[in-house]
Amino acid sequence: ILNVEQSPQSLHVQEGDSTNFTCSFPSSNFYALHWYRWETAKSPEALFVMTLNGDEKKKGRISATLNTKEGYSYLYIKGSQPEDSATYLCAFGEGNTDKLIFGTGTRLQVFP
Amino acid sequence: GAGVSQTPSNKVTEKGKYVELRCDPISGHTALYWYRQSLGQGPEFLIYFQGTGAADDSGLPNDRFFAVRPEGSVSTLKIQRTERGDSAVYLCASSLTGGPTGELFFGEGSRLTVL
Repeated sequence: ILNVEQSPQSLHVQEGDSTNFTCSFPSSNFYALHWYRWETAKSPEALFVMTLNGDEKKKGRISATLNTKEGYSYLYIKGSQPEDSATYLCAFGEGNTDKLIFGTGTRLQVFP
Repeated sequence: GAGVSQTPSNKVTEKGKYVELRCDPISGHTALYWYRQSLGQGPEFLIYFQGTGAADDSGLPNDRFFAVRPEGSVSTLKIQRTERGDSAVYLCASSLTGGPTGELFFGEGSRLTVL
């Protein structure tokens, strides 16, 4: 059974703080790592799809890094804003399957 | 907009009843996925369609669950003889091509409560 783990489970920060969380996944048979943001009462929305070891992606104040050899990805949010409050999900894609295996998510709350 | 649409958004039913959940994917997306999220868990894979055929149904928990996509567009997830443990948010997602690198576009989910 493939295990995708995310930490921390939840995080409370003040507006303006920078924060980061971790996604751990199996290092064998890696094909892709996805990050999604899921705001309450909305649909999950893709942030990044990463495929190469050492990949770094950025979208505004949010960035992500990928280490496929050791099986982890970090998501960073610089200068958190209340609108960043959401659950952040990572998902692992293996080479011989089309399905993604999701972690349980990190729930971020940013207080003004 | 032209996003993924799921109906109903909420469904409350009694144990033992039959339920259908519908997903209307983004036009032109050949791949369609059903996931289920139970409280405190991440989305759990149920089934994946490529066109009209179920390419991978390994996540369906038992034979009470069945899904169809007869014309390669709209999909229906069918649950027979519902049980309280089936209570969850059922998420549908579509992807332009599918595969592990294909970005998923999700609907808002159907929240199923089995009393």
